[in-house]
Amino acid sequence: AQRVTQPEKLLSVFKGAPVELKCNYSYSGSPELFWYVQYSRQRLQLLLRHISRESIKGFTADLNKGETSFHLKKPFAQEEDSAMYYCALTSGNTPLVFGKGTRLSVIA
Amino acid sequence: EAGVTQFPSHSVIEKGQTVTLRCDPISGHDNLYWYRRVMGKEIKFLLHFVKESKQDESGMPNNRFLAERTGGTYSTLKVQPAELEDSGVYFCASSQVGRELFYGYTFGSGTRLTVV
Repeated sequence: AQRVTQPEKLLSVFKGAPVELKCNYSYSGSPELFWYVQYSRQRLQLLLRHISRESIKGFTADLNKGETSFHLKKPFAQEEDSAMYYCALTSGNTPLVFGKGTRLSVIA
Repeated sequence: EAGVTQFPSHSVIEKGQTVTLRCDPISGHDNLYWYRRVMGKEIKFLLHFVKESKQDESGMPNNRFLAERTGGTYSTLKVQPAELEDSGVYFCASSQVGRELFYGYTFGSGTRLTVV
């Protein structure tokens, strides 16, 4: 069965500090992983995807198959990064499976 | 391009009543998904349509939930009769077939359902 675990419900950091939002998954095949973000009063939107190896708004995420992790990182947090972050997984032909989400609060 | 539209944005109904949620996907998106977030829990998959066909309905909680997508355009999700545990935010998402991995899903703003 596919499962996504985000161990932190809430993460508070100071502005300018590094951020790491943890995501671990369980899946026997080759997963495709995503990070979605929901800012206050906005809809859930795609932040970045493993398949693209991209950096969006300063965030990056590396897939570590040995540790079955896809942690989201940013070297210097900004106040506008405060939001709810969801890690999600698909096998390609199955619907996205989401974690419970982590609320990031960046303190000025 | 218009996004995924959901209606209503909020609904408060009494236990035992019926509620119908509507989702209009992005034009040309044959994939349509329904998800639900119950307070404090993860966003859980309910159902997946490809055009008008139900591709996967393994997440539907019970037979009080009925989803339709007539003509392969908009979709409705009806809850009848509603129970207290049905309260939550219902999300709809759409995507183009074959492009899910690169573009992901586009989500609507959700319908907040409260059953009292």
